[in-house]
Amino acid sequence: NAGVTQTPKFRVLKTGQSMTLLCAQDMNHEYMYWYRQDPGMGLRLIHYSVGEGTTAKGEVPDGYNVSRLKKQNFLLGLESAAPSQTSVYFCASSYRDPTNTEAFFGQGTRLTVV
Amino acid sequence: DQQVKQNSPSLSVQEGRISILNCDYTNSMFDYFLWYKKYPAEGPTFLISISSIKDKNEDGRFTVFLNKSAKHLSLHIVPSQPGDSAVYFCAASALGSQGNLIFGKGTKLSVKP
Repeated sequence: NAGVTQTPKFRVLKTGQSMTLLCAQDMNHEYMYWYRQDPGMGLRLIHYSVGEGTTAKGEVPDGYNVSRLKKQNFLLGLESAAPSQTSVYFCASSYRDPTNTEAFFGQGTRLTVV
Repeated sequence: DQQVKQNSPSLSVQEGRISILNCDYTNSMFDYFLWYKKYPAEGPTFLISISSIKDKNEDGRFTVFLNKSAKHLSLHIVPSQPGDSAVYFCAASALGSQGNLIFGKGTKLSVKP
């Protein structure tokens, strides 16, 4: 099993460019999440999904959009990248609400916006 | 305002001794707490959790203690091993928050041989 796979692992964007981060999980999990981690900060929830076709805003959703067209995939989009979006992005999935079960994380995507 | 605080950015411990990582929280609605471990260039991995109805949960070398009145939890690692060197994140959630885990900033543990 691959678990949770994030694509790409690294990316450099110019301000104003757009991109999509892909998260794929092969564990048939219902819940999927996108977090960002900034230096000296904990992980902050951007958006999440509790099932195919559903999405919801987390703590820091501004500047991002998401889609969950297939159960195994959760896409995070940046329409017009800004330097403030320079961060490490982590995708996670869980069988049910991770507040009472473990969430599995991907290896992260390091994004730099110049 | 930070709802989950890990006030020690780093901790250094000798191999074989006990490591104690601390976490404080402010939101009395939190009812579930988790610890994640993170190695460089990897995603966090789940370590141990505790529900607010318990005050202790143990899994091998790892024990988490919860003091609800003090809004404090701690992770004990006994004995510490060099492979435990990582960043440890405390996370908390409220019932029905559907995945909105609130993470602390993390504590970097270094276990010296």
